[in-house]
This record gives sequence, C-alpha cells and structure tokens, in this order.
Amino acid sequence: GQQVMQIPQYQHVQEGEDFTTYCNSSTTLSNIQWYKQRPGGHPVFLIQLVKSGEVKKQKRLTFQFGEAKKNSSLHITATQTTDVGTYFCLYDGTASKLTFGTGTRLQVTL
Amino acid sequence: DAGVTQSPTHLIKTRGQHVTLRCSPISGHKSVSWYQQVLGQGPQFIFQYYEKEERGRGNFPDRFSARQFPNYSSELNVNALLLGDSALYLCASSLQGAREKLFFGSGTQLSVL
Repeated sequence: GQQVMQIPQYQHVQEGEDFTTYCNSSTTLSNIQWYKQRPGGHPVFLIQLVKSGEVKKQKRLTFQFGEAKKNSSLHITATQTTDVGTYFCLYDGTASKLTFGTGTRLQVTL
Repeated sequence: DAGVTQSPTHLIKTRGQHVTLRCSPISGHKSVSWYQQVLGQGPQFIFQYYEKEERGRGNFPDRFSARQFPNYSSELNVNALLLGDSALYLCASSLQGAREKLFFGSGTQLSVL
C-alpha cells in the first residue's frame, strides 16, 4: 500500500540556521500540501504543489515537488523563533483519504 | 468573515457515553472534513463530506459517524466512548474538496474518563 514517510521527526536549530523537512512516498502523489501547526494551535495552510518539479517560494520558505511526484521538501532559510512548530505534509491518499505525514517538529533557540 | 467554528471547545465525558461535535465551515465552503489528533501525533483523517455526501472515510470504527447539513455545517458523532478517544478533534472546510486548501477550526478537546 501507499506509504509516506516524513523526516526528520524532530530538529533543533540555532536561530539563523537552515531547516529542511522531507516527505517521501512509495507511490506517485497527485498533489501535496504543507501545513504548520504551532504548539497548542491548529494546522495552518502554507502551500499546495501540483506539478512535477514544481518549486514555490514564500519569503524564507522554499517548497519543492519532485520530478516523479514521489517526494517533496520544505526548506526554511535562516530560521527565526517564529518558525517554531510542527510542519506536516498532507496528501490525497488511497480512496480519498486525506493523510497527514508524521510531522517534523522544529525547535529554534537563540 | 468568520473562520471555521467548532463547538464545544472542551468536553469531558465518561466511558460508554456518546458525544456530538459541531462544525460550521467558512461561508461559501461546501466541503467539511474531520480529524482526530492525539497529543504529539499528526491529525488522523476521519471523514470528508461534500454537498452532504460522504466523499472519504478514514480507518475509524463504526462508532464514529458524521453528517453534513443543507447549510454545509457538520456534526461528528462518537458512540460508546473509549478512553482512547481522548483527543483534539479538528474540523476543516474547503471550497469543494480534497485537493484544495483546508481551513481548520481551533478544535474540540475531548477528554474521556
């Protein structure tokens, strides 16, 4: 069956360092979305990627969708304390089951 | 404009009881989906509804049911509550369906004692 792994589970960085989280699927994805959830909050939409090889940027955030549409990444340049939270990928799984990745928890310290 | 609203915000129940959670989507949104999030884990998909019809169902037992009303609001019902049902229940709305941006409510925190 379809499996999507999100790595790493947790990353602790110093403010100013870069951060990347990856979602890797065993099968081709039709599209992928990324969400951020602050501690105690709810998921907030960041981006949707649909096309093979697509790259989108939002200020310090860069999102990529692999050529084979089996993997995606979120890269944050020069992290800030406001980037703290858990980042999830979301994809349309088998039988229209909306499935979140396991999430990457980002901790940023000064 | 109001965002997605969920009620109640917190709820305490005992094992074996029944619970109904409510969700009002953003005006104009016709799709609602429900998620269970246990502390420290990602949201798990329960149901998706579009135009009052079920469009997707996650791996949850039949104790979980939902419906969508003509005004596009939705209810999630859980029967015969178990301790393991304690979680944050999130509702999300979107314009039409699964492949669109989801707007989440703040959730209902359910504690089963």
